[in-house]
Amino acid sequence: AQTVTQSQPEMSVQEAETVTLSCTYDTSESDYYLFWYKQPPSRQMILVIRQEAYKQQNATENRFSVNFQKAAKSFSLKISDSQLGDAAMYFCAYRYAQGAQKLVFGQGTRLTINP
Amino acid sequence: DTEVTQTPKHLVMGMTNKKSLKCEQHMGHRAMYWYKQKAKKPPELMFVYSYEKLSINESVPSRFSPECPNSSLLNLHLHALQPEDSALYLCASSQDLGLLKPQFFGPGTRLTVL
Repeated sequence: AQTVTQSQPEMSVQEAETVTLSCTYDTSESDYYLFWYKQPPSRQMILVIRQEAYKQQNATENRFSVNFQKAAKSFSLKISDSQLGDAAMYFCAYRYAQGAQKLVFGQGTRLTINP
Repeated sequence: DTEVTQTPKHLVMGMTNKKSLKCEQHMGHRAMYWYKQKAKKPPELMFVYSYEKLSINESVPSRFSPECPNSSLLNLHLHALQPEDSALYLCASSQDLGLLKPQFFGPGTRLTVL
């Protein structure tokens, strides 16, 4: 079974600094997709960034970038120049190309931004 | 319009009540999803509809009954729920079931079963 592990239940960072959230996953598939979702206190889940497993180039969206290490099954999220609005629960998610194709979420990392 | 709306925002019901949750999107998306999220936990998939047909049922108890009357609307009918069913129920939609198509989530309905 595919599993997603976020080993950091909580993290905090000073405003304007950089923080990295870790995510590892377990799969025997070779074709899959990875996502980071953000859930602010208002609870609306928002897609932050996505990565196709067959692409070696790391995805980047403005201040958000990923470090995708396929062999290590690692998919970390780097947030540069942290802002107060980045405070949220961050979920790493995996979606595989075969079978049910459902989205499997990690347990989440709660990120606090200190002013 | 890039929103997924859900009503009601909060719902309190007894174990003998029948209620419904409603989800609506006007983005032309043809895939819609119901998730259940307990406090401090990730969302868990319940149902997936694709082109108004049930595509995935994650072995959800029959006291939860989904319905997709048209491409914009998704309902979740609730009957004889248990207190452990209290949770945040999230609706999501995506353009279709394509793997890289992002899911857009609604704000959720906070359900409390007494």
